[in-house]
Amino acid sequence: SYDLTQSLSLSVALGQTARITCGGNNIASKNVHWYQRKPGQAPVLVMYRDGNRPSGITERFSGSNWRNTATLTISRAQAGDEADYYCQVWDSNIWFFGGGTKLTVL
Amino acid sequence: QVRLVQSGAEMKRPGASVTISCKGFGYTFTDYPLHWVRQAPGQSLEWVGWIVAGHGNTTFPKKFQGRIAITSDSFASTVNMELRSLRSDDTAIYYCARGLSAPGIGGNWFAPWGQGTLVTVSS
Repeated sequence: SYDLTQSLSLSVALGQTARITCGGNNIASKNVHWYQRKPGQAPVLVMYRDGNRPSGITERFSGSNWRNTATLTISRAQAGDEADYYCQVWDSNIWFFGGGTKLTVL
Repeated sequence: QVRLVQSGAEMKRPGASVTISCKGFGYTFTDYPLHWVRQAPGQSLEWVGWIVAGHGNTTFPKKFQGRIAITSDSFASTVNMELRSLRSDDTAIYYCARGLSAPGIGGNWFAPWGQGTLVTVSS
């Protein structure tokens, strides 16, 4: 088993920067992926392999992974960024998800 | 446009079985693995298993082994997931998702996802 720790919630003012973290033992040795899930919708991949943005994802989203913490950064936060965000890693042929962070844009 | 379309909501009694289908559109179905992920009410995402669509090989977390099966019909571009001996804590939205990878990189990331299938287990 591989435990991923995320804060339950995070609030950010409109136009400011949100940093959503995902903690794991030596997580920097793994590829971390991030998903956005809005109410009533399926998850959407917003970052893969730490800091790679899929086609169609705004450049306001960026990612990093260092030591024991991976971070999804959302710059100039907008109301449409309100969602649950989940990190994911692969370990021993099993895929693990973090508990999710609910982002609120004030 | 690449998309996955799942079958409709199911309501089952404890002890019953459920089969959910996932049909792929817009890509060569056998070129990518297909994963299943579920989300129970108030819980996070949980990986349920995967199938390498072109080969039929499957892998599941230990907690599901013995009561889950994932099969692929390449001609129909469809994957089916069967979960048996249902319990109330199997109540969840079940998603299928296409697995993506890069040469030399272990593991997949998932895109796109199906719309989800609500499975309710209740007596």
